[in-house]
Amino acid sequence: NAGVMQNPRHLVRRRGQEARLRCSPMKGHSHVYWYRQLPEEGLKFMVYLQKENIIDESGMPKERFSAEFPKEGPSILRIQQVVRGDSAAYFCASVKGLGDTQYFGPGTRLTVL
Amino acid sequence: TQLLEQSPQFLSIQEGENLTVYCNSSSVFSSLQWYRQEPGEGPVLLVTVVTGGEVKKLKRLTFQFGDARKDSSLHITAAQPGDTGLYLCAGATGGYQKVTFGTGTKLQVIP
Repeated sequence: NAGVMQNPRHLVRRRGQEARLRCSPMKGHSHVYWYRQLPEEGLKFMVYLQKENIIDESGMPKERFSAEFPKEGPSILRIQQVVRGDSAAYFCASVKGLGDTQYFGPGTRLTVL
Repeated sequence: TQLLEQSPQFLSIQEGENLTVYCNSSSVFSSLQWYRQEPGEGPVLLVTVVTGGEVKKLKRLTFQFGDARKDSSLHITAAQPGDTGLYLCAGATGGYQKVTFGTGTKLQVIP
């Protein structure tokens, strides 16, 4: 998973604040997936983006969550008005193209106090 | 909703023992991947299997994809402490290979 950067690695927020998680894909990759992982569990798909396009957001909660992948810059997962239940590890994975292998970043661990 | 059930959920064994982890689903997948994840890190891809009945070996690890492409197994021979980690299977479907992850198997190998 070398090459996929996520920051911050750890993020602490109080209830009601906003959390912004960033993902820089591997060089040459134009597709990004976001996943959420609760402790001791597998990863749950949230959203799949191509640059400037949301391809599939079927795993993302309808409220408070949004994601973007602009033409320039990292992909951003934004969580507004965070609640304790949002505490989890959030991973992004980048792929070069459709159907290619996903390479995961190290994750951002969000803690909501 | 596609579900991938892994068993066992937890496994603690002595160094040198063999083990098998199972990944089962009622859904058919175009490919299946196995990942290992260490605490505080993202999953790292171990193998991708594509063809029903396919067997792949990676040193002491043997991966098999079921004939119907609904299930898979991971067998580790002579486990070592370095094998400790969370093992995740993941099935891919669809044109853009949307991945569904399994429930995970947490392996601890005791020296």
